[in-house]
Amino acid sequence: ETGVTQTPRHLVMGMTNKKSLKCEQHLGHNAMYWYKQSAKKPLELMFVYSLEERVENNSVPSRFSPECPNSSHLFLHLHTLQPEDSALYLCASSQDLLAGGRYEQFFGPGTRLTVL
Amino acid sequence: SQQGEEDPQALSIQEGENATMNCSYKTSINNLQWYRQNSGRGLVHLILIRSNEREKHSGRLRVTLDTSKKSSSLLITASRAADTASYFCATDVRGSYIPTFGRGTSLIVHP
Repeated sequence: ETGVTQTPRHLVMGMTNKKSLKCEQHLGHNAMYWYKQSAKKPLELMFVYSLEERVENNSVPSRFSPECPNSSHLFLHLHTLQPEDSALYLCASSQDLLAGGRYEQFFGPGTRLTVL
Repeated sequence: SQQGEEDPQALSIQEGENATMNCSYKTSINNLQWYRQNSGRGLVHLILIRSNEREKHSGRLRVTLDTSKKSSSLLITASRAADTASYFCATDVRGSYIPTFGRGTSLIVHP
């Protein structure tokens, strides 16, 4: 498989559930990102990892917990979410942290999350 | 606060026509990028223009950048139905190389 993959593609969960989103990049990149995309809103940057270290946390509620065990994998652990957390969650990677703005980011297809 | 803002929010044209989308931003930038997103999918990078460049071309795409007006435009010439998508500009503010995205322009090209 090539590029950036995300699983699952769709997820429906109750507010008391715990679930995880997975992202994997096969590009040899060093930086990975989580974004939240809600209808009619700008793409919201949630977390940024560079060489497995978190470098940005954009005031995201603690019910979202990221994990980056290695430079190829990124997880988003979800716990006691709210209905307003329903959105498309996008993972992206770039060659390195500077390359995200200087060159390009590569995005996965996203996970469509619905919180009931 | 949001850095980039696309205009118009929605654009509907006939196949063969040109489509122009604009992006305005607030603070000085290093680079500006345009991305496309097909419905419910991830974003795909189209083109990057650096702050010292004024115009770039890629196939049917033409991007301009006016740093004095803090604005950029994306022109798609001879549009096709397959160009139907949302288009986003992303800017990285000086001092940070992490791009910030706008709300996007939704383009519909009717066959």
